[in-house]
Amino acid sequence: QKEVEQDPGPLSVPEGAIVSLNCTYSNSAFQYFMWYRQYSRKGPELLMYTYSSGNKEDGRFTAQVDKSSKYISLFIRDSQPSDSATYLCAMSYTGGGNKLTFGTGTQLKVEL
Amino acid sequence: DAMVIQNPRYQVTQFGKPVTLSCSQTLNHNVMYWYQQKSSQAPKLLFHYYDKDFNNEADTPDNFQSRRPNTSFCFLDIRSPGLGDAAMYLCATSRTNSGGGGDTQYFGPGTRLTVL
Repeated sequence: QKEVEQDPGPLSVPEGAIVSLNCTYSNSAFQYFMWYRQYSRKGPELLMYTYSSGNKEDGRFTAQVDKSSKYISLFIRDSQPSDSATYLCAMSYTGGGNKLTFGTGTQLKVEL
Repeated sequence: DAMVIQNPRYQVTQFGKPVTLSCSQTLNHNVMYWYQQKSSQAPKLLFHYYDKDFNNEADTPDNFQSRRPNTSFCFLDIRSPGLGDAAMYLCATSRTNSGGGGDTQYFGPGTRLTVL
């Protein structure tokens, strides 16, 4: 079993839709949760960072963490074609040397 | 703008021919990481430097080596590339690796390696 599981998609939605992306994990030591966006043939770019459980909002993006269920989500409101990318969740923990454990990424396509 | 730069963006090499990938950063970060990312897979950490201290992941093949001559530059050397080494190689930096998890990793654009 992988430490972090993420549905690879692809996920195709119409412009303006609300998108929900999710990851589950097995290591209860994870405390720091990140979402990276990766455009085709580019490096990952940090979108959201959350510590422990709770919600965090930044513009059209909301990150949620439920540590009791070992489940994290990224919501994108009013999705745009420019949001078309692969979204990677990543996690780390204190004492882990800042080592990130990534999910495999979900490919999202927002269509006009 | 402060950034992480990788050269070249695309590299083609022959089976068994040594190749070196380059990463530089203007962020003045202490930590530099090298990841391997194969198609539709998660980035896999190969090793990282905290300043001059080298930290190898247990499952990184000996075929992969790294050098960090100064704060700004880090190199990935693949001594004898095999077909299975074809991948995107990502360099990342962070201010520290205190383990607090709050040290954001900033990624470069990657170098796509093709092995013929």
